[in-house]
Amino acid sequence: GNSVTQMEGPVTLSEEAFLTINCTYTATGYPSLFWYVQYPGEGLQLLLKATKADDKGSNKGFEATYRKETTSFHLEKGSVQVSDSAVYFCALSSYYGNNRLAFGKGNQVVVIP
Amino acid sequence: GAGVSQSPSNKVTEKGKDVELRCDPISGHTALYWYRQSLGQGLEFLIYFQGNSAPDKSGLPSDRFSAERTGGSVSTLTIQRTQQEDSAVYLCASSNRQGASGNTIYFGEGSWLTVV
Repeated sequence: GNSVTQMEGPVTLSEEAFLTINCTYTATGYPSLFWYVQYPGEGLQLLLKATKADDKGSNKGFEATYRKETTSFHLEKGSVQVSDSAVYFCALSSYYGNNRLAFGKGNQVVVIP
Repeated sequence: GAGVSQSPSNKVTEKGKDVELRCDPISGHTALYWYRQSLGQGLEFLIYFQGNSAPDKSGLPSDRFSAERTGGSVSTLTIQRTQQEDSAVYLCASSNRQGASGNTIYFGEGSWLTVV
């Protein structure tokens, strides 16, 4: 079945540091890949997505590239801000799964001024 | 409406009582999903509706959980005889087209259920 694996544990870093959150997946067929973000006290919001191999999703300075050969969709941002503190979820959907999202466990990111 | 709307936003109930959680999806969205978010379990899929029918109920954790959708719009998730382990945030989401896995799924802010 479809599954998503995110790196373990929270991520704490200083403002303006480089952020990487690893995400790998297992899926039937050709899934679409997503990063969702949950800011404190708010609901899940789509951050970016990619629907086919080699596509790059980007938004708010975040980027992720759909790598079929390594089944990965790592999230990166070159210079984080305190306002980027949130929980980040990697997810996939595929036609074979009724397009429902399968989520990773999420990573809490804390950016210190 | 502009977004997915859920009610109540917070609910405290006694163990053994029944609860109903409501979801109003984005207007025109045919696909509707319920998820549960709890500490240690992450985001769990519960049920998927396409129109008024539920082709995938595989995530419902027990027969105490049921859901329906009427008029291709509003959905209600019902939990009977609530248990403490049902305490979680219940998230509703909707999407505007079946059969396209790249469609964005939009989430509501959730209903926070606490069973005491």
